[in-house]
Amino acid sequence: SQTIHQWPATLVQPVGSPLSLECTVEGTSNPNLYWYRQAAGRGLQLLFYSVGIGQISSEVPQNLSASRPQDRQFILSSKKLLLSDSGFYLCAWKVGGRDYGYTFGSGTRLTVV
Amino acid sequence: DQQVKQNSPSLSVQEGRISILNCDYTNSMFDYFLWYKKYPAEGPTFLISISSIKDKNEDGRFTVFLNKSAKHLSLHIVPSQPGDSAVYFCAARGNAGGSNYKLTFGKGTLLTVNP
Repeated sequence: SQTIHQWPATLVQPVGSPLSLECTVEGTSNPNLYWYRQAAGRGLQLLFYSVGIGQISSEVPQNLSASRPQDRQFILSSKKLLLSDSGFYLCAWKVGGRDYGYTFGSGTRLTVV
Repeated sequence: DQQVKQNSPSLSVQEGRISILNCDYTNSMFDYFLWYKKYPAEGPTFLISISSIKDKNEDGRFTVFLNKSAKHLSLHIVPSQPGDSAVYFCAARGNAGGSNYKLTFGKGTLLTVNP
């Protein structure tokens, strides 16, 4: 079966520290992968998406970067976190078929202090 | 520029009654619309979708209506149950270049179903 793993579930980091969030999918190959963020009082904002290894598209200019070193691995990073980076980060992969929707991971709650 | 708008941040209904969640969009090139349900500290889960060439799709207690001329869609839940209490996100699928697509989400509506 197809599953998506995202970790850690919660993270508290000081301002200026680095960040690395990892997402992996199982049971599929060459998926489209996405990073979304839900900030307080806001909807789900698309940050990055990837259609293949090494291919990253950025949606908004920000303090974050993404990488896809392997087919089923998607990493969200930052060299120096800002307070405004706090939020709920979600990884998703595209599911084919009639519903044309995404399957989301369980999310990472990041608090920058 | 918010292309998908959910203007009601919250909605409260009584158990057994109908819940109607609304969504408006601005991009006429969206070809699929989806609703997701999200509980706190969890990822959103897919609920129901509708193609832009249809005006209604029904799945059990959930029905989505699409009015293309008004660029408006709504999700109806009948009858509403306390377990339906969650944040509901409206999403629209648009082209991201070539054969790739991406979903644009609204800000969500918090539905509370009171027993």
